[in-house]
Amino acid sequence: NAGVTQTPKFQVLKTGQSMTLQCAQDMNHEYMSWYRQDPGMGLRLIHYSVGAGITDQGEVPNGYNVSRSTTEDFPLRLLSAAPSQTSVYFCASRTGGFYGYTFGSGTRLTVV
Amino acid sequence: GEDVEQSLFLSVREGDSSVINCTYTDSSSTYLYWYKQEPGAGLQLLTYIFSNMDMKQDQRLTVLLNKKDKHLSLRIADTQTGDSAIYFCADLNRDDKIIFGKGTRLHILP
Repeated sequence: NAGVTQTPKFQVLKTGQSMTLQCAQDMNHEYMSWYRQDPGMGLRLIHYSVGAGITDQGEVPNGYNVSRSTTEDFPLRLLSAAPSQTSVYFCASRTGGFYGYTFGSGTRLTVV
Repeated sequence: GEDVEQSLFLSVREGDSSVINCTYTDSSSTYLYWYKQEPGAGLQLLTYIFSNMDMKQDQRLTVLLNKKDKHLSLRIADTQTGDSAIYFCADLNRDDKIIFGKGTRLHILP
């Protein structure tokens, strides 16, 4: 089991560029989420999904899109990057019920 | 909206016990979690507790839950240098989302 795999690990974008952060899990987890981590702000939920074809917004969804066409993959798209999106992004997955999340190792994104 | 609050920083001498505190606002939270994040890494689930429990012990870790006061704590016995990390409290809310606190950075003094 690879767990939750995020790519790339590091990325630098120019303001206005778009890109997709990839996330894949091989544990057959129904639930997947994207969080961003900023200093002093903890983890804030961007988008989440409770299964293939089902997504919903979290606390800070503006500027990001997601889709869940398969159980395994949950990509996060930045439509037009802004410096305020400079952050570390974590993808996480879990089964339903009380089990906590398994996290990926993160993508460190810098927008200049 | 609902919130999970933690103090941001804690310093403890090596060998002492560390106690990290957390408060939450959602009275319908069913499970509460503690995660550990080492530098440059993702979050790792340390332990969890069901809301109808008062205490859970797992080796050096003790979780205490006061549901009436919505207060959760994590005690690490015999703190070691390897325990230096950021610790996040989180709860599973009524919407089946997991909400995280801002994290407590644990610093170990020699």
